[in-house]
Amino acid sequence: EVQLVESGGGLVKPGGSLRLSCAASGFTFSSYSMNWVRQAPGKGLEWVSSISSSSSYIYYADSVKGRFTISRDNAKNSLYLQMNSLRAEDTAVYYCAREMVGDYVWGSYRYLDYWGQGTLVTVSS
Amino acid sequence: SYVLTQPPSVSVAPGQTARITCGGNNIGSKSVHWYQQKPGQAPVLVVYDDSDRPSGIPERFSGSNSGNTATLTISRVEAGDEADYYCQVWDSSSDLPYVFGTGTKVTVL
Repeated sequence: EVQLVESGGGLVKPGGSLRLSCAASGFTFSSYSMNWVRQAPGKGLEWVSSISSSSSYIYYADSVKGRFTISRDNAKNSLYLQMNSLRAEDTAVYYCAREMVGDYVWGSYRYLDYWGQGTLVTVSS
Repeated sequence: SYVLTQPPSVSVAPGQTARITCGGNNIGSKSVHWYQQKPGQAPVLVVYDDSDRPSGIPERFSGSNSGNTATLTISRVEAGDEADYYCQVWDSSSDLPYVFGTGTKVTVL
């Protein structure tokens, strides 16, 4: 059974740092790209960052670029998100999610087939 | 960046059919995926690549995509289907590759 378990959330002051972790099990972690997606209270889903299976390709949303760093340790089946210079608008539940890739007539597509339960990050003084 | 628009809410009686739309410019040329999110829970994939269902998802959930609108259809709606639903596409040419719709709250009357 695929399982993704996030940890590391909590209350932090503006300008502070936090490191989120996501422990994966039930699948060959090193074969999949992984993502972080967040959801502010009462709001919709917002993609944050992606990392390829070997960490060769990394992408960030403009809203976090330069402040957040995604990484992974395939030996430990773990995904991380280092969050620095946190702002009030970063307050959200952060989910890690496994990425699936497919092809269709117009090109390729990606979607997120398994999600963790999320960890809440609150940025407040 | 690419924008996906969903109605904020849809109400449906038990046993009836709910249709949730996802509008986007020429969305019919993209592959659309749908997620269900119940209160306090993580999103769950219910349809991928326009109309395919992951294992374990009831046949009552189906999808279609054409022109400027993709649609998630829930047949024979049950109380347990009450949730928020999000569409999603992947836009490889964008700085924001994962694009989520605005979300639709489905209320079972």
